[in-house]
Amino acid sequence: QVQLVQSGAEVKKPGASVKVSCKASGYTFTSYGISWVRQAPGQGLEWMGWISAYNGNTNYAQKLQGRVTMTTDTSTSTAYMELRSLRSDDTAVYYCAREDYGAKGDFDYWGQGTLVTVSS
Amino acid sequence: QSVLTQPPSASGTPGQRVTISCSGSSSNIGSNYVYWYQQLPGTAPKLLIYRNNQRPSGVPDRFSGSKSGTSASLAISGLRSEDEADYYCAAWDDSLSGRLGFGTGTKVTVL
Repeated sequence: QVQLVQSGAEVKKPGASVKVSCKASGYTFTSYGISWVRQAPGQGLEWMGWISAYNGNTNYAQKLQGRVTMTTDTSTSTAYMELRSLRSDDTAVYYCAREDYGAKGDFDYWGQGTLVTVSS
Repeated sequence: QSVLTQPPSASGTPGQRVTISCSGSSSNIGSNYVYWYQQLPGTAPKLLIYRNNQRPSGVPDRFSGSKSGTSASLAISGLRSEDEADYYCAAWDDSLSGRLGFGTGTKVTVL
């Protein structure tokens, strides 16, 4: 069965970086893209960006341009999301989600979420 | 901020029908598919409706989606206690180099 398993919770200081992993199994990794979505405490969902697991093409949300990098390792079927220059308002649960190519917004499987807390 | 607007809350008694609206514009709902997600407390979102009105396998037919112009809606018929959750619409937005917009979210309470 399809599974996306994310790395564990992180606590970071303002200005630091965080890298969250998302290991996929149960399907051909390169046949789908991976999007990252975050949710601040008590808030709604925010799309962060997308990466093609086939060729590494990316599309980042404009507000995160310059601070976020998404990568994949096809040898381990793992996607990564790195966020730099962390601020307190980056505190959120970060989710990875599988997305069919050409079906923007169609997230049929999600990871369990990774809580990132930014605090001094 | 969200590009899609939903009512913050909706409620009904068991067995009733509840409808959630999602209002957008020509650059998102008006020209792209709408998706609906259900988020139970403390869990990841779950795909409920794709491509405006299609249900993934395993989603009960009590859930239905529709779209007209720049608005969409999700209907839950035969409301059950386990439907108490947050619901989000989503659609691609062609403005600003493209981005995925989520709705503001609607909390459904089963009275």
